[in-house]
Amino acid sequence: DAGVIQSPRHEVTEMGQEVTLRCKPISGHNSLFWYRQTMMRGLELLIYFNNNVPIDDSGMPEDRFSAKMPNASFSTLKIQPSEPRDSAVYFCASNRDHNEQFFGPGTRLTVL
Amino acid sequence: AQKITQTQPGMFVQEKEAVTLDCTYDTSDQSYGLFWYKQPSSGEMIFLIYQGSYDEQNATEGRYSLNFQKARKSANLVISASQLGDSAMYFCAMRELSGSARQLTFGSGTQLTVLP
Repeated sequence: DAGVIQSPRHEVTEMGQEVTLRCKPISGHNSLFWYRQTMMRGLELLIYFNNNVPIDDSGMPEDRFSAKMPNASFSTLKIQPSEPRDSAVYFCASNRDHNEQFFGPGTRLTVL
Repeated sequence: AQKITQTQPGMFVQEKEAVTLDCTYDTSDQSYGLFWYKQPSSGEMIFLIYQGSYDEQNATEGRYSLNFQKARKSANLVISASQLGDSAMYFCAMRELSGSARQLTFGSGTQLTVLP
């Protein structure tokens, strides 16, 4: 069984550039979560979707961040324009109903 | 207020010994779930164990067990017979199950180092 797939695994970009992170959840899961992990703030939930609908985006830092889930098997997290303080590991996770969340390997983003 | 508190930023344990990682939580919900995840240095998040608030018995999964004390609102992780591969960051998390909220709230983590 394929787990949660994220791409790219590593991204290095310059300040001001647009960054798009991608996630493919586990087939059959109906919820998808985007988290950000930094040393200073730990693991933070950015947004989650249930049945492709955004339910809670209160964790999205600001308007530069946007997330979409056009179908049950794909989601994107976009940062435009990116800033150095966005450097972090971004995790995507999925689950079905109230069961445990399965995490992807993460995308390590560095904004120079 | 912190919903999940892990008071031990770092812990050391001798190989083959047992270790307890502390976790306390705060919720007014009657129905909730508690989770432990392991994050090795490679970065992935690995689910370890789950305890539901209505579960009468403490959860166990191999060498992992959860010491659930509902009245104290604590959900400590016990790792028996520690192995070098257990060295990692461990996160406690909670999901309140009432309503439609599905997100996990994570603690700040405990860095466990197993000594040979």
